[in-house]
Amino acid sequence: DQQVKQNSPSLSVQEGRISILNCDYTNSMFDYFLWYKKYPAEGPTFLISISSIKDKNEDGRFTVFLNKSAKHLSLHIVPSQPGDSAVYFCAAVRTTSGTYKYIFGTGTRLKVLA
Amino acid sequence: DAGVIQSPRHEVTEMGQEVTLRCKPISGHDYLFWYRQTMMRGLELLIYFNNNVPIDDSGMPEDRFSAKMPNASFSTLKIQPSEPRDSAVYFCASSFAGFQETQYFGPGTRLLVL
Repeated sequence: DQQVKQNSPSLSVQEGRISILNCDYTNSMFDYFLWYKKYPAEGPTFLISISSIKDKNEDGRFTVFLNKSAKHLSLHIVPSQPGDSAVYFCAAVRTTSGTYKYIFGTGTRLKVLA
Repeated sequence: DAGVIQSPRHEVTEMGQEVTLRCKPISGHDYLFWYRQTMMRGLELLIYFNNNVPIDDSGMPEDRFSAKMPNASFSTLKIQPSEPRDSAVYFCASSFAGFQETQYFGPGTRLLVL
């Protein structure tokens, strides 16, 4: 049962345009959502996060939107740059009895074309 | 700080052998996480520690997997006996405190079980 899904395995975008990466989840009890970026042969690096009580969080070129009614999360990158080419993972966190459950999506490979 | 350090970076072993993966978290971080990444399932949280104590190991796939954290600067993930389906990239990550804190990932150990 994949509670966090990234249905697009890959995405290609022209440099300077907007990249939109999507993530769907099934459990309304998640407290927090995060996006990570991963380059080949490296560990994931944190990009941006959003609490379940908010619907938008912005950090420079990166904006995360949360639509709780649709159980949908998206990451917008504007403008896209070739250095943004990487695999992007969304993750959801749920607290249960003092423990944390982290669940990651399977990732979307973004390619920004120069 | 050197970041999260993992060793070895690559491991090739034969089915049935014991495998030990090592991790040194960032100094001062209270939480340590072990993840496994596969093409099919993406990133999966296996276990995490808080102040050297295992908090949630519900992600550990089988009894063949075990993890320890004897002190604040060292953790191991052991697979005994190893099987071909254990082939994956194993990441260690650490964070300062709480699930809202950014997790810093190590470069990963690529394990191949023949």
